[in-house]
Amino acid sequence: GGIITQTPKFLIGQEGQKLTLKCQQNFNHDTMYWYRQDSGKGLRLIYYSITENDLQKGDLSEGYDASREKKSSFSLTVTSAQKNEMAVFLCASSIGQFAETLYFGSGTRLTVL
Amino acid sequence: QQKVQQSPESLSVPEGGMASLNCTSSDRNFQYFWWYRQHSGEGPKALMSIFSDGDKKEGRFTAHLNKASLHVSLHIRDSQPSDSALYFCAATITGNTGKLIFGLGTTLQVQP
Repeated sequence: GGIITQTPKFLIGQEGQKLTLKCQQNFNHDTMYWYRQDSGKGLRLIYYSITENDLQKGDLSEGYDASREKKSSFSLTVTSAQKNEMAVFLCASSIGQFAETLYFGSGTRLTVL
Repeated sequence: QQKVQQSPESLSVPEGGMASLNCTSSDRNFQYFWWYRQHSGEGPKALMSIFSDGDKKEGRFTAHLNKASLHVSLHIRDSQPSDSALYFCAATITGNTGKLIFGLGTTLQVQP
């Protein structure tokens, strides 16, 4: 089995700050994802990547950048944190990109003061 | 409008009972469905996928898909307190998991 490690677990930032979340997987999976989970709104896709150096926008990409420099890692940057923003950011991976099971990390909880 | 709608929002069943969760798509093109479960403080974990009409059973969990009515359900028999969690239905049109749409979830509480 493998594991997805997200760092940090908790992230507190200031309004307007640029914040970076990191994700590592040792499944050797090709595809990686970033989701945002807000209370009462389910999971919404921010970015995904089907291979190293590839980036695909999801429904919620505005205000975010992503980077996939290695197969095993996928980082997400909040370009300008919004005051009172609070959400959990979940990283996931899958073998491929078609009808595959997603494996999730335990999340980074973001609070913006 | 939410393309994948789940009901009920929350559900409480006694230990040993049957829990039934529902999911309906408003888009006729959705063909591939998954159920995920999320315990508090953890990421979601896949329970099962279903792509064909009919039932699919895995242990205490049975998923049922009716493509004509765009309805998928999850039934948990002999519910355990450890089944208490948030359950998500997710669907895609083409099977491309980059286009996976999640519902808002059903919170299941199993009472000991």
